[in-house]
Formats: sequence, C-alpha cells, structure tokens
Amino acid sequence: QVQLQESGPGLVKPSQTLSLTCSVSGGSLSSGDYWWSWIRQHPGKGLEWIGYMHYSGNTHYNPSLKSRVEISLDTPKNQFSLKLTSVTAADTAVYFCAREKGGAYFLDHWGQGTLVTVSS
Amino acid sequence: QSALTQPASVSGSPGQSITISCNGTSSDVGIYNLVSWYQQYPGTFPRLIIYAVTRRPSGVSMRFSGSRSGNTASLTISGLQAEDEADYYCCSKAGGDTLVFGGGTRVTVL
Repeated sequence: QVQLQESGPGLVKPSQTLSLTCSVSGGSLSSGDYWWSWIRQHPGKGLEWIGYMHYSGNTHYNPSLKSRVEISLDTPKNQFSLKLTSVTAADTAVYFCAREKGGAYFLDHWGQGTLVTVSS
Repeated sequence: QSALTQPASVSGSPGQSITISCNGTSSDVGIYNLVSWYQQYPGTFPRLIIYAVTRRPSGVSMRFSGSRSGNTASLTISGLQAEDEADYYCCSKAGGDTLVFGGGTRVTVL
C-alpha cells in the first residue's frame, strides 16, 4: 500500500521560500505510471491544485502559481519536493502531496497534509 | 483556469438520494471523460470516490455514482447515511495537462 507523508517547516516568513518534502513508501517514484502532485487547501476553503511532476522530468503547474512554483523528484530517496517562492499570508494553507494516475488525471493516494503558516 | 462550480451545500434525510453538480466548461468537464470526485472529512485528507466520471475505486460504496452531461458532472449519493456527512470536491483535467477542482460542497444529513 502506497503511503505519502509531508514534512517541512510549519512557519515561513513573508517573502521567503516555502519548502516541503513528500516521502513515499510502498511505491517507487521511478514508476512511469504516475505523476507526483501537490495540492493545497486554504483554511476553511476548497482544494487548489498546485502542480505535478513525472519521473521523466516533465512538470505541469497551476497557471496562477507557475511563476513561483518548482516541483522536483529525488528518486534515490523516493521523495519529491515543493518550493514556493516569495510567499505571502495568502499562501497559508494545508499542503497535501498526492499520487496522480498518469493519463487518468485522478489522485488515488494522498498524504495527511501539513499546515504551513506564513507570518513574521 | 477557473474553479469548477459546485453548490456550497446540499442536505438530505437518511435514506434519501442527493445529487451534487459540478459545472465546468467546454475546456474541462465538457471535453474530457476525466472527472473525479473526492470525499473529505474535517481535518483529514481527501479520499477518491469516483474517477473517469463514473468509475468507483475498490472499496467505495456502490451508493456513490457519477455521471456527466455536457459541461456538468454530477455525483449522486443514494441511501444517504450519517457517515456521508462530509465535504465533496469534483476535479477535472483542464487545458495544458492541468487539473482544476470545484469549490466543494458540504453534505449535511438531516
């Protein structure tokens, strides 16, 4: 059974870079069948897709965040990461990592989520 | 890329059927058979309950069903139960190989 777990700082200062890691167990990032995804949820709000990356190196990002987002894979560690630059209070959210079934566009396994607060 | 439109809330009595709509456009819901639905309880992660418009993952109750007509996808919950009280989100492939979510619907069991 695939399991995902987010980790990273829970507090980030405005204008700095938010960095999170998702550790994957029970499955390999090197599998070409999946895309590795980040989604966020502002407090009390709905889900917002951030982007995903494939083992091949291809990435796709939400157009509204594209200029500030980078997703990367570390296959030896079986982890993938999210970097979001120039954060503001509007980036305060619970951040989820998830696995997307390639070509089918659904997210079948999710991490528990981690709250990141942007505040000085 | 605009969020898909869902009603903020839907309610029903135990045993009833309810339907949640998900309105998109001809650039997402209307063009791809790639709509998925997620159930989320407060404080937890979303769970996939429908994919490819109508398909259920293993372990998901048959009381959940999906459909699509034009630019609108729908999730129907039959035989409503107390445990169905949760938030529900639709999601679709959109242009440029991106994903777009709906705003979410809170289901209340009366």
